[in-house]
Amino acid sequence: EPEVTQTPSHQVTQMGQEVILRCVPISNHLYFYWYRQILGQKVEFLVSFYNNEISEKSEIFDDQFSVERPDGSNFTLKIRSTKLEDSAMYFCASNIRGSADNEQFFGPGTRLTVL
Amino acid sequence: SQKIEQNSEALNIQEGKTATLTCNYTNYSPAYLQWYRQDPGRGPVFLLLIRENEKEKRKERLKVTFDTTLKQSLFHITASQPADSATYLCALEAAGNKLTFGGGTRVLVKP
Repeated sequence: EPEVTQTPSHQVTQMGQEVILRCVPISNHLYFYWYRQILGQKVEFLVSFYNNEISEKSEIFDDQFSVERPDGSNFTLKIRSTKLEDSAMYFCASNIRGSADNEQFFGPGTRLTVL
Repeated sequence: SQKIEQNSEALNIQEGKTATLTCNYTNYSPAYLQWYRQDPGRGPVFLLLIRENEKEKRKERLKVTFDTTLKQSLFHITASQPADSATYLCALEAAGNKLTFGGGTRVLVKP
């Protein structure tokens, strides 16, 4: 069964460093998302992406964040200068249609630890 | 502001019994409501989707109801098994195509 994959599974970085989290969505999906989950808290929407551009972003997704689909398969989230509060699980998701009438498929997540 | 509330207390239940979870929302008029399962350290896994014009949806031992008047969804796991132990998340369509999640309810099924 197709699945969303994410790398790395765990990333440790120093405050102020740049990190890139990588995702490979399901191949026939057209809509891509990043969510984050701080330990013990809710899954929070960060950004949605369609047709090579951001379709929506939350207030969390400030100028320190960016997303890219550099080729036909990868979808990346970059944090330019990490802060301690960026420590969280980051989940990539994808679906066929961008509306909420179909499920989103989530990856296993990348645990980001900022020291 | 929009709010989604799920019972934050863990639900302990005996194997074979029915677990019932609640999702309440305010300041929303969602067309769709979804339920996901999340195991520790893993990503959410889709379980069921229900539309605003549907009162009830079933999938195997799972049942979801959606009452747009009460602004509430109930999620039932019948004949619960220890393997059903997980956190269950309610998610609503917000503006655009994003999902907004509740805080989840942890279910522990004891043998």
